[in-house]
Amino acid sequence: EIVLTQSPATLSLSPGERATLSCRASQSVSNYLVWYQQKPGQAPRLLIYDASNRATGIPARFSGSGSGTDFTLTISSLEPEDFAVYYCLQRANWPLTFGGGTKVEIK
Amino acid sequence: EVQLVESGGGLVQPGGSLRLSCAASGFTFSNYAMGWVRQAPGKGLEWVSEISGRGATTFYADSVRGRFTISRDNSKNTLYLQINSLRPEDTAVFYCAKGLRFGEVRGSFDYWGQGTLVTVSS
Repeated sequence: EIVLTQSPATLSLSPGERATLSCRASQSVSNYLVWYQQKPGQAPRLLIYDASNRATGIPARFSGSGSGTDFTLTISSLEPEDFAVYYCLQRANWPLTFGGGTKVEIK
Repeated sequence: EVQLVESGGGLVQPGGSLRLSCAASGFTFSNYAMGWVRQAPGKGLEWVSEISGRGATTFYADSVRGRFTISRDNSKNTLYLQINSLRPEDTAVFYCAKGLRFGEVRGSFDYWGQGTLVTVSS
C-alpha cells in the first residue's frame, strides 16, 4: 500500500502567517491527492481534490500543489478558524490511504 | 442540502457484531460511490471501505477485509457496514462519506456524516 508521510507533525503559527504543509507519498500517485481539514469533534471537510482543485466554498487562501510524490497545502494567511488538523489522502491505488496529519496550532 | 446520518454504533464485546447504517438525502444516492472512514480515539483517519453507486463493486482496507461488509440499498438511500469479529482495536468513530463525482469510485469524499462511535470492550 502507498504510505503518505505528512510533515511537520505540528506547525505553530500566528494568525496572518503563511502555513506550508507537506505530504510525501512512498510512490507516485500522479495528481490523485486530496486534502482535508478536521476540527475537534467534527467530521473532516474537503479542501482540495486532485492536488490543486479547491472544493466548493473553500476560500482562496487555501491552495494545493504538487504531483507524483511531493505535495503541498498552503494557507496564505491564517485565519483563526484555520487552526485545525490537516490530512492528505491518496486515491491513486487501492487501498486508499491517509497521511498521519499535521496539526496547525496557535503560537 | 446533502445530509448523511450514521447510526448503529454502540458498545460491543470482542468477537461481536454490529451493523452500521448511513441514511442519505439531498442527492441522487445511486449516482455516487459511498465510503466508510474510521478514526480511533485521538488518532488519525483510516479509510475502511468503498462501494460503487450501483453496489456492484466493493473495496476494503486489508485490516478489515473478511470481517467487514459494505452494502447499500438504493431504494432506501441507505449505506450499510456489517462489522463482524470485532476487536478492541476496531474501537473508533465510523464516518460515512459521499463520493465527489458522478459515477466515480476511488474518489474524493465531499460530504461526511457526523459519525457513529463503535466501542469494543469486555
